[in-house]
Amino acid sequence: NAGVTQTPKFRVLKTGQSMTLLCAQDMNHEYMYWYRQDPGMGLRLIHYSVGEGTTAKGEVPDGYNVSRLKKQNFLLGLESAAPSQTSVYFCASRDSSYEQYFGPGTRLTVT
Amino acid sequence: ILNVEQSPQSLHVQEGDSTNFTCSFPSSNFYALHWYRWETAKSPEALFVMTLNGDEKKKGRISATLNTKEGYSYLYIKGSQPEDSATYLCACFTNAGKSTFGDGTTLTVKP
Repeated sequence: NAGVTQTPKFRVLKTGQSMTLLCAQDMNHEYMYWYRQDPGMGLRLIHYSVGEGTTAKGEVPDGYNVSRLKKQNFLLGLESAAPSQTSVYFCASRDSSYEQYFGPGTRLTVT
Repeated sequence: ILNVEQSPQSLHVQEGDSTNFTCSFPSSNFYALHWYRWETAKSPEALFVMTLNGDEKKKGRISATLNTKEGYSYLYIKGSQPEDSATYLCACFTNAGKSTFGDGTTLTVKP
C-alpha cells in the first residue's frame, strides 16, 4: 500500500516548455486534489476531482489542465511553463468523510 | 470561494507552555474543517476532521473545537514540546468537495 505517490520529485523547465505531473493513489479514494505551495503561503488549490472522469477548477487554475481518466490517477499539465509556476506541487486524495492523504510533493523550477 | 484565515501567523513559546491558535471561515456553505500538521520538507499530516457544530476532538496533548455558526475553530496544544514545532494548517471543505487552506500558524517551541 503505497498511499499517494507523485512523479517526478524534481524538475527544471525552461519557459514555454510543457510537462505533466502524475499523481497516483492506491486507496480507492474518490476525491483527488492538486495544490501549489509558495513561500510564506499555505496550500492553494489548483484543480480537483470528485470522481473518475470529473474535474473542477480551484483557486488558481490558470495555466494548468488536469485529467482523471482512471480513478487512481490525477494528472496535472502545464501547457507552456512560466517562471510564476515555480513552486512545490502537492497532490492529495481522500474519501468523502475522511482526511486528505498527501503525496511527497514535486519541486518545479521554471527558468 | 471560502476565505479561511489563521491567527497568529507565528508563535514562539517555551517548552511546557500551553498554546492555542485560531482558524476562522465563512459559516455559509461549510461542510468540514480539517487540521493538519506540516513539518519542513515533509507532506502535511492530518490531525483532525471536524464536521458538526460543537465538535471537540483530542489526540494526546492536542485538541480542537469547532463552531460552525460563528465560523471558527481552535487548536490547543497542552504542555508544548520542541517536537511540536511545525506549521499548523486548517482547511475548509464545501459539500461539493472544494477545499480552501489558511496560510498556517508556525509554532516554535524553545527548549
